[in-house]
Amino acid sequence: DVKVTQSSRYLVKRTGEKVFLECVQDMDHENMFWYRQDPGLGLRLIYFSYDVKMKEKGDIPEGYSVSREKKERFSLILESASTNQTSMYLCASSLFAKNIQYFGAGTRLSVL
Amino acid sequence: EDKVVQSPLSLVVHEGDTVTLNCSYEVTNFRSLLWYKQEKKAPTFLFMLTSSGIEKKSGRLSSILDKKELFSILNITATQTGDSAIYLCAVEANTGNQFYFGTGTSLTVIP
Repeated sequence: DVKVTQSSRYLVKRTGEKVFLECVQDMDHENMFWYRQDPGLGLRLIYFSYDVKMKEKGDIPEGYSVSREKKERFSLILESASTNQTSMYLCASSLFAKNIQYFGAGTRLSVL
Repeated sequence: EDKVVQSPLSLVVHEGDTVTLNCSYEVTNFRSLLWYKQEKKAPTFLFMLTSSGIEKKSGRLSSILDKKELFSILNITATQTGDSAIYLCAVEANTGNQFYFGTGTSLTVIP
């Protein structure tokens, strides 16, 4: 079974802090994605990566950056957390030629 | 603007009922439509549809795509409390691994 692991289920941070959300997948997938999920807005794509060191902006990249130094790991970085970044963050991965995304359990981030 | 719209937003039914969830889309360069089930954890894959009119079926769940009218439905028959979840619809575009998600339908099945 594909496993996508997000490092934290719950995280509480203060405004202005630098926040790292980590995601690791164990199936050698080329593609990895970061979404945020908010009530009434569904899943919105922040960034995705289709290869090591490659990244593409999604629909809402402002205030976020990403890092993909190794194929299995995709990190989401909030350079200076703000209260409007309080949300559920979901990581996903997929094979390059396949459409099915496999999701992690999510990180619920609260920024106070 | 590409978008995916799901309806209804929420639904409460009794065990044994049949439900139909809707997903309509306006996405340039459509490639596939996917359904996911999200309980209090990671969304899990249910179906992927690429061809119009071909029903995908898994147990009590089935789904079909209409590419002419740009929508899909997810049917659940003989619902059980374990079917309570948010059901997400996503459409993939041909352009660079881009997926568009709907807001989801929250289904609650009461005994």
